[in-house]
Amino acid sequence: EVQLLESGGGLVQPGGSLRLSCAASGFTFDSFAMNWVRQAPGKGLEWVSGINGRGDTTPYADSVKGRFTISRDNSKYTVNLQMDSLRAEDTAIYYCARAVRVDDIVAFDSWGQGTLVTVSS
Amino acid sequence: QSALTQPASVSGSPGQSITISCTGTSSDVGAHNYVSWYQQHPHKVPKLLIFDVTNRPSGVSDRFSGSKSANTASLTISGLQAEDEADYYCSSYRSHGKAVFGGGTKLTVL
Repeated sequence: EVQLLESGGGLVQPGGSLRLSCAASGFTFDSFAMNWVRQAPGKGLEWVSGINGRGDTTPYADSVKGRFTISRDNSKYTVNLQMDSLRAEDTAIYYCARAVRVDDIVAFDSWGQGTLVTVSS
Repeated sequence: QSALTQPASVSGSPGQSITISCTGTSSDVGAHNYVSWYQQHPHKVPKLLIFDVTNRPSGVSDRFSGSKSANTASLTISGLQAEDEADYYCSSYRSHGKAVFGGGTKLTVL
């Protein structure tokens, strides 16, 4: 059974940093791209970033480019999202999502339960 | 980075069919066959219904089907059931390796 477990969310002040992690199990990790998708309270889904199976392709949404960094450790079955220079508009539930293919950033067939990030003073 | 355009809400009666549209541009929906659809019940995690415009993951009911014409993709739900009441999101690959979601559509089963 595919399982994705996010951690690292919490309350942070504007301008601060936070590092999210997603621990994966139940599948061959390096055979799938991984992504982060967020959802602000009461709002829709927003793709944040993705990373292919090898970890050498890492696209970002314009809204986070230059502030967020995605990475993966295929030996530990984890994917991380380093979030710097956080803004109030980054407040959201952050989901870790597995793509259907090794290079896919669009179709996500497994999702974690999400971790809440709140940016507020 | 504007979102894909979906109707805010649609409704239908049990047994009927409804279609949700997802309009993009020639840089996303119109350029690639990488359109996906998701269902999200309140306070639940999104569920993949359709990928690559028309493909259903195993376990997804065949009452859900997808299509695309030019810059507009569509999700059709046939034989509407009460449990289909949820929010629905489309997503598409966009040039330069990015992805984009639609704003979401709330489906009400009357």
